[in-house]
Amino acid sequence: AQKITQTQPGMFVQEKEAVTLDCTYDTSDQSYGLFWYKQPSSGEMIFLIYQGSYDEQNATEGRYSLNFQKARKSANLVISASQLGDSAMYFCAMREGDNTDKLIFGTGTRLQVFP
Amino acid sequence: DAGVTQSPTHLIKTRGQQVTLRCSPKSGHDTVSWYQQALGQGPQFIFQYYEEEERQRGNFPDRFSGHQFPNYSSELNVNALLLGDSALYLCASSLDRDLDGELFFGEGSRLTVL
Repeated sequence: AQKITQTQPGMFVQEKEAVTLDCTYDTSDQSYGLFWYKQPSSGEMIFLIYQGSYDEQNATEGRYSLNFQKARKSANLVISASQLGDSAMYFCAMREGDNTDKLIFGTGTRLQVFP
Repeated sequence: DAGVTQSPTHLIKTRGQQVTLRCSPKSGHDTVSWYQQALGQGPQFIFQYYEEEERQRGNFPDRFSGHQFPNYSSELNVNALLLGDSALYLCASSLDRDLDGELFFGEGSRLTVL
C-alpha cells in the first residue's frame, strides 16, 4: 500500500541553522511525485518543493532543498538558514502516477525555530 | 492573481445536519480536489472534479458529495453530519494538462459538529 512516513513529530532548530525533516515513502509505481507543504496555524497548505520520480537532480527552491534518495525511498526536506517564520507543521506527500490530484500525506512534523 | 478561496472559514453544525462548503480555484486552474484534515493528522483525499465530473474518489462514504460548476468552482456537501466529521476541509486546484504541476491549497473551512 502507498504510504508516507514522517518519524519526527517535532523538531527544534536555532535561527540561522539548517534543519532536515525526514520523509520515507512506499510505492510500487515507477512514476510518482513527492511534495513538501508547510502549514502555519492559519491552516493553509503552502507548497514548498516538488520532486518527480524521474528527476535526476535534487529539487531546490530558495532555502528549501529536497534530498531525494530513490533507492532508499526517502525524500528529506532541508531548510537552510532557518527563520522564526519557518515555525509551522511540515507535511510530506506523494502523488502516484500522472493526471491525478490525489496526494497521500504523512502525519507531519512540527518545526519550532528559536532565537 | 487570486489564489484558491474557500468559504465559509468557520462554521458550527449539529449532528444530523447538512453542510455545503465552497471553493473557487486559482485563476486559470480547471481541476478541484477536496481534502479532510482531522486535528493532528495529515489531509486525506475526498475526491477530485474535472470538467464537472467526479474523476477520482477517496475512501469516504456517500454522505460526502460534490459538484463542479462551469466556471470551475466547486462545492462539497456533507449530509447527516457526525461528530467525526469535525475537521478542516481543504480545497486544492490545479491545471489538468500540467501533469507535474503543484496543487495550490486554500486556507480551508473549519467545521465543528456538536
